[in-house]
This record gives sequence, C-alpha cells and structure tokens, in this order.
Amino acid sequence: GDSVTQMEGPVTLSEEAFLTINCTYTATGYPSLFWYVQYPGEGLQLLLKATKADDKGSNKGFEATYRKETTSFHLEKGSVQVSDSAVYFCALSSSGSARQLTFGSGTQLTVLP
Amino acid sequence: NAGVMQNPRHLVRRRGQEARLRCSPMKGHSHVYWYRQLPEEGLKFMVYLQKENIIDESGMPKERFSAEFPKEGPSILRIQQVVRGDSAAYFCASSPPGDAEKLFFGSGTQLSVL
Repeated sequence: GDSVTQMEGPVTLSEEAFLTINCTYTATGYPSLFWYVQYPGEGLQLLLKATKADDKGSNKGFEATYRKETTSFHLEKGSVQVSDSAVYFCALSSSGSARQLTFGSGTQLTVLP
Repeated sequence: NAGVMQNPRHLVRRRGQEARLRCSPMKGHSHVYWYRQLPEEGLKFMVYLQKENIIDESGMPKERFSAEFPKEGPSILRIQQVVRGDSAAYFCASSPPGDAEKLFFGSGTQLSVL
C-alpha cells in the first residue's frame, strides 16, 4: 500500500538557517504530493502541493520538487524564521482526490532566535 | 470566518465507555473527513462524508466505530466500548464542494482511554 517516510525530528535550527526536511514515498501510479503544517494549537494547513513529476510547489518561502526518479518530495526553505516553528507533515494522494491522504509521521521544527 | 471546529479538545474515557467526537466544518463546506493519528504514526484516513451520506468508510474499523453528518448540526464520530488502543488524536477536515483537494483541518480531539 501507499506509505510516506519523513525525516525524524525534532529539528532545531537558528533563525536564518537553511532548512531541509526529507520525505520519500511509496505509491502505485502517479500520486499528488503535499506538505501540511501544524502550528501550535491549530489544525493542519496545506502549505504546498505538486501534482506531477518535476512540478515544484512553493509557498511562504518554502519549496518542494516532485522527484519521481527518487520518489521524493523534500521540503526546503532558504532562511527560516522563529514563526516557522511547527510540525510539518508530508502526504500523498493516489486516489485522484485528496479524500484519502496518506501522511508521514510529522517532523517537529523549532527555530531559535 | 471560523475554521473547522472540533470538540472536545481532550476526552478521557474508561475502557468500555462510549466516546463521541464532534466536528463542525467551515461555513459553506459540505464534505467532512475524519483522520486518526496513533502515537508515533502519521494521520490515517478513516471516513469521508457528505451531508446525510457516508461516501467512503474504507479506513474505519468495522466494529465499534461509526460516523454521521446529519442535515443539521456537526459531524459525529462515535466509538463504542472504547479500548486502550483507541487512544489517539482524531482530526476532522472539511472541503468546499467541487474542490476536494482543498482540505482544512481542525486542531483535533485527543482521546485517552484509561
């Protein structure tokens, strides 16, 4: 079945550091890929998505590129801020809609001033 | 514009009791999804509902679990005769009609079974 493997956390960085959170997946066919973010005390929010190979999703300075050859969708940001502290979830949908998302276990990011 | 509202935030039950989790979708959203996150795992799809209809319950355990989304009122996830293994965070999400990929999640209900 479908599965998503995320880099284990927690990850602690200083402000303005470069961020990479690794995500690899196993799925049949051509899934859509997502990154969700959960800020403290809030629900998950869609951060970015990519629906086909070589697509790059981007939002709020975060980027991720759909790499079919390596089955990866790593999240990157060039300069993190304290306000980026949150839990980040990688997810995929291979059903043609987002109804059945398969999530990774989440990576806790803490950014120190 | 209020987001997806879930209550309670924390629910404690003893083994054998019933748990009722509530979810009010965002205004204008007619699709509701329930996900469960067991400790150290990712969120797992349970059920997808539209008003008065269960569309997909392929992720829901066959026994003790049920879900509804009535014409009026919130969606309810009901767990009968809870066991320790039901302890998890339960997340609800909603999406607008015609845009199933735009999911908005609530902040979850943490169920603890003693």
